[in-house]
Amino acid sequence: DADVTQTPRNRITKTGKRIMLECSQTKGHDRMYWYRQDPGLGLRLIYYSFDVKDINKGEISDGYSVSRQAQAKFSLSLESAIPNQTALYFCATSDVRGIGSSYNEQFFGPGTRLTVL
Amino acid sequence: DQQVKQNSPSLSVQEGRISILNCDYTNSMFDYFLWYKKYPAEGPTFLISISSIKDKNEDGRFTVFLNKSAKHLSLHIVPSQPGDSAVYFCASGAGSYQLTFGKGTKLSVIP
Repeated sequence: DADVTQTPRNRITKTGKRIMLECSQTKGHDRMYWYRQDPGLGLRLIYYSFDVKDINKGEISDGYSVSRQAQAKFSLSLESAIPNQTALYFCATSDVRGIGSSYNEQFFGPGTRLTVL
Repeated sequence: DQQVKQNSPSLSVQEGRISILNCDYTNSMFDYFLWYKKYPAEGPTFLISISSIKDKNEDGRFTVFLNKSAKHLSLHIVPSQPGDSAVYFCASGAGSYQLTFGKGTKLSVIP
């Protein structure tokens, strides 16, 4: 079974609709992240959470909200979807490590392809 | 302001030859660097990393070189194989949380 799972894998929605993307992990990591990928723009951080009570905005949080329901679950919501939120969305997790190999290595889910019409 | 730059959107290499992917960064506070590989319809997977206290890290066919004075790192793949064809992302971090990613380089290894 995959360590980091995302649902749904694909979603088509209309402008103005509320949509939630879900992420679950079995790695036991405290830290979870949401990124979006746009063609030619790489990965940009939306929100991150260090534990259930610690949620922080990333580079591009406007138009998004998140909920950390448990250590293993981190959801991303678009309250009122707009076409420029069409993108590939990735959830990631990480453990806390010291300096050295694999420092802050993040483990990614398979992604959700979201299309807003 | 783009803090991590991968200036080559794509690279084609013959099977068996060396692939060299480059990455430049501007933030002198970055103290660790990672490379990720991404296949279509999959999430990025960690490949190799290096901390700022080193200038080289090797793992099998993959070697990452760090030149701190030039704020430049590179990933060498030797020998390149068709299965290495993917998008490669360079990522950098300072402290223990955020990673800043480059835009990626699409590597095509030609049989």
